Amino acid sequence: NAGVTQTPKFRILKIGQSMTLQCTQDMNHNYMYWYRQDPGMGLKLIYYSVGAGITDKGEVPNGYNVSRSTTEDFPLRLELAAPSQTSVYFCASSYAPDATNEKLFFGSGTQLSVL
Amino acid sequence: QKEVEQNSGPLSVPEGAIASLNCTYSDRGSQSFFWYRQYSGKSPELIMFIYSNGDKEDGRFTAQLNKASQYVSLLIRDSQPSDSATYLCAGSGYSTLTFGKGTMLLVSP
Repeated sequence: NAGVTQTPKFRILKIGQSMTLQCTQDMNHNYMYWYRQDPGMGLKLIYYSVGAGITDKGEVPNGYNVSRSTTEDFPLRLELAAPSQTSVYFCASSYAPDATNEKLFFGSGTQLSVL
Repeated sequence: QKEVEQNSGPLSVPEGAIASLNCTYSDRGSQSFFWYRQYSGKSPELIMFIYSNGDKEDGRFTAQLNKASQYVSLLIRDSQPSDSATYLCAGSGYSTLTFGKGTMLLVSP
């Protein structure tokens, strides 16, 4: 069972370039999330999805876009990359959360540098 | 805005001691709270969750929740060098979790 798979693991972009971070999960989870983590900081939610065809903004959505055409895949698109988007990006998924247990399964992360 | 606050540390304890990690939250609507451990360069992994006032024990870990004070804590007994990591506190919201910045724990042999 692969869990949550993110690609690529590392990427260097030039200012103004675009790229897509891929995320796929094989656990049939409805809920999927994209977080970014800056050095010494916690996880900040970029976008999330509660099911195929449904996405919503998180805390820091500016400069990013997402789509959710299937249950398995939740790609994150960076348009016009800026140095402020240098970060580690984590994709995560979970079962339909209830009030008591909302365990997140994380991918291994993508280290992105924008120079 | 929902906030989860943690002391960034580092918290340094000797091997065998009790490590106490604390967290406060602003959203009274949060029902559940989670402690994730994150080793350097790795993704977070869940170690405890709690949703009722009081204590919850799991092996060497005890989570404590006080909803009136909006306070969550994690106690690690008999701390080991392998416990050295950053511990992230998170509170539940509608379909999402809000994370604190994390507390770095260093356990010295």
